[in-house]
Amino acid sequence: GDSVTQMEGPVTLSEEAFLTINCTYTATGYPSLFWYVQYPGEGLQLLLKATKADDKGSNKGFEATYRKETTSFHLEKGSVQVSDSAVYFCALSDRDNYGQNFVFGPGTRLSVLP
Amino acid sequence: SAVISQKPSRDICQRGTSLTIQCQVDSQVTMMFWYRQQPGQSLTLIATANQGSEATYESGFVIDKFPISRPNLTFSTLTVSNMSPEDSSIYLCSVVRQGTVDEQYFGPGTRLTVT
Repeated sequence: GDSVTQMEGPVTLSEEAFLTINCTYTATGYPSLFWYVQYPGEGLQLLLKATKADDKGSNKGFEATYRKETTSFHLEKGSVQVSDSAVYFCALSDRDNYGQNFVFGPGTRLSVLP
Repeated sequence: SAVISQKPSRDICQRGTSLTIQCQVDSQVTMMFWYRQQPGQSLTLIATANQGSEATYESGFVIDKFPISRPNLTFSTLTVSNMSPEDSSIYLCSVVRQGTVDEQYFGPGTRLTVT
């Protein structure tokens, strides 16, 4: 079945540092890929998405590129802020014989220090 | 995006009792889901709430323990029945809006503690 793997956290960075959170996936079909963010005490928010190979999703300074050849969707940000401290989930959506299928990674906790 | 509210936002319950969580969306949606998120963990899908029919449960979850209703396109409830401390978790409602097929939007969650 489909699966999503993320780098283990927690990740601790200083403000203005460069962020990369690795995500790889396995899927039987041609999935859409997502990054969700969960701030403390809140539900998940859709951060960005990409639906086909070489698409780049971007939002709030975050970017991720759909790499079909390496089955990856790594999240990057050039300069993190304290307010970016949250848990980040990589996810995919695929269609199988039973309908639309959603799979979430385990999440990566990011802490940004001032 | 869709605006999703959940009630209650948190509760502390005694073992053996039941709690019903409500999920209300501000627009019509095609799919509604219920997830559980245990502390520090990722999301586990409990079931898909189907309008006007029985929910579709994932492996490890049963209707007697987690009865779900979805009487219309914008509202659903999840009941956690005969609770034990192992049910302490965050319960999240999510939806897929009409016009999209793969973007999920999440409610703020209900934090349940069972003592």
